[in-house]
Amino acid sequence: DTAVSQTPKYLVTQMGNDKSIKCEQNLGHDTMYWYKQDSKKFLKIMFSYNNKELIINETVPNRFSPKSPDKAHLNLHINSLELGDSAVYFCASSHSGFYDGYTFGSGTRLTVV
Amino acid sequence: GIQVEQSPPDLILQEGANSTLRCNFSDSVNNLQWFHQNPWGQLINLFYIPSGTKQNGRLSATTVATERYSLLYISSSQTTDSGVYFCAVSFTGNQFYFGTGTSLTVIP
Repeated sequence: DTAVSQTPKYLVTQMGNDKSIKCEQNLGHDTMYWYKQDSKKFLKIMFSYNNKELIINETVPNRFSPKSPDKAHLNLHINSLELGDSAVYFCASSHSGFYDGYTFGSGTRLTVV
Repeated sequence: GIQVEQSPPDLILQEGANSTLRCNFSDSVNNLQWFHQNPWGQLINLFYIPSGTKQNGRLSATTVATERYSLLYISSSQTTDSGVYFCAVSFTGNQFYFGTGTSLTVIP
């Protein structure tokens, strides 16, 4: 009964490949996010969806494409992976009013070789 | 630009000691949250605290929004408290901006 679940937990892939990370939440939240944590532990938002609509799209290469089939799911697809994409990617969710903050998934460690 | 600064950046404590972590932010906030990232990388919600004081066991937090800071207190620290503590704030809109974190190591 995990609140925000991401799969896979680890992903090792070669440069140039295309990969997807899936995220699902069962908290009844209407807003979902993708964050990237770099090697220095800094967390930066990439995308945010509210009720399946894109509301935040930070400066992210267009090789990254989020997709939200419904408000409980937000997937991240990455084309033509590069070495610099290696990081930990976190999914999170919240109510749009933010009245109880974020809940994070356990993260996906992506390593591009 | 938006700034969220945490101090100290690194902290080493003997087990049983107390500590205070600070988060300063550059503008008025409408939301603030403290997280603990454990050594396995999980981000655990500690407090949602846009203002006032909350306590949960050995941890407590205080946010003084008018003075643009929040404090996280850890009392009687344990080795399981080790990890990185993040403050995250929301100014307007619907995203959190994270601070650079305080890395805490508790030694037995």
